[in-house]
Amino acid sequence: EVQVVESGGGLVQPGGSLGLSCAASGFTFSNYWMSWVRQAPGRGLEWVAHIKKDESEKYYVDSVKGRFTISRDNARNSLYLQMNNLRAEDTAVYYCARAPRQDSSYSWLDIWGQGTMVTVSS
Amino acid sequence: DTVMTQSPDSLAVSLGERATMSCKSSQSLFYSSTKKNYLAWYQQKPGQPPKLLIYWASTRESGVPDRFSGSGSGTDFTLTISALQAEDVAVYYCQQYYSSPSTFGQGTKLEIK
Repeated sequence: EVQVVESGGGLVQPGGSLGLSCAASGFTFSNYWMSWVRQAPGRGLEWVAHIKKDESEKYYVDSVKGRFTISRDNARNSLYLQMNNLRAEDTAVYYCARAPRQDSSYSWLDIWGQGTMVTVSS
Repeated sequence: DTVMTQSPDSLAVSLGERATMSCKSSQSLFYSSTKKNYLAWYQQKPGQPPKLLIYWASTRESGVPDRFSGSGSGTDFTLTISALQAEDVAVYYCQQYYSSPSTFGQGTKLEIK
């Protein structure tokens, strides 16, 4: 079964750090761009970051630039998001998602995980 | 950034009737070299992740019922459910992937009348 499973969410104080992981299975992970998308409680979807299959390109939404780092380990079929200097407005469910267009970063997202909740609060 | 605006914010339709919702982008999503519109639609039920329905504005994802259809070009797009089923109650989002950052609409909440 093709799937991605996120982990690592939790409660963190403002200014703190947290690392998220996403384990992929059922497909050749190294062939795909991967993304993180978040959803604040009761709100819509916001694309956060994505990474090329060989890590040579990474892109971020402006609100997280300089604070979040996306990375991957193709040998472990895993995607990561390191989040530093967290703010209350980063509180959200964070989804890992696959971009099926293997030749481009401009893609829809076809496989989504169940998400992991990150709460930033004192 | 490209702003995606969906309307209406909520919609109530009777079972078996047609449901239509709109998505407008602040810039054209049509790429002339590929002749494609860079727009996708997703369905999100409560407590679940989004599910891909449509990409390239009108291409149905494998396994999606054919009562779901996407149309439109340029800046104006529509998602239509031809005959509403109870399981279609959800929030529907459009997404543009024409330019970075990719952006989503605010969603249309679909309910049964």
